[in-house]
Amino acid sequence: QVQLVQSGAEVKKPGSSVKVSCKASGGTLSTHAISWVRQAPGQGLEWMGRIIPMFNTANYAQKFQGRVAISTDESTSTAYMELNSLRSEDTAVYYCARGLGLSDWFPYWGQGTLVTVSS
Amino acid sequence: EIVLTQSPGTLSLSPGERATLSCRASQSLSSSYLAWYQQKPGQAPKLLIYGASSRATGIPDRFSGSGSGTDFILTISRLEPEDFAVYYCQQYDSSVALSFGGGTKVEIK
Repeated sequence: QVQLVQSGAEVKKPGSSVKVSCKASGGTLSTHAISWVRQAPGQGLEWMGRIIPMFNTANYAQKFQGRVAISTDESTSTAYMELNSLRSEDTAVYYCARGLGLSDWFPYWGQGTLVTVSS
Repeated sequence: EIVLTQSPGTLSLSPGERATLSCRASQSLSSSYLAWYQQKPGQAPKLLIYGASSRATGIPDRFSGSGSGTDFILTISRLEPEDFAVYYCQQYDSSVALSFGGGTKVEIK
């Protein structure tokens, strides 16, 4: 049974950075694409980027280029999403999501991590 | 970037009725690379359909997907009380730029 367990809620100041983790169990991380999706309060889903660990390649939505970094630590089966230069509009629930193999449709989701950006 | 437009924004229906949700892509999706998700308040999205028409594991057959090219439909044949939620489409035709539609809320009339 595949499970994705994310780190806990964060409160950050504008201009700072946040790093959210997503630990996978019940399957290998390296052979699956991992995406990060966020959802601002009362809003829809927004794809941020993805990584394919076995190829060590990541690509990002244009909106977040230069401000986001997705990485993995295969030794702990954990994926990370770091977002820099935080602003109030980044307040959202951040989800990791995994497909089957390299597919980019998502049967597996983390529980979500609320990141609040406030001065 | 492929933009997905979902309509209507809100659908007000009664249990037992049929729901038809639309998702239109700004350019044709090759190989029907489109998925549908259901999301309830406070929960992560749940995969319903992938490949435009294949039901995910454990999804009841009252949910069906159809369409190709730029126009896709999610149909719920008879609404059950637990089906009232927000539904999103997602394209994965462009692996470097995935995207979601804005969502359709199915509410109880």
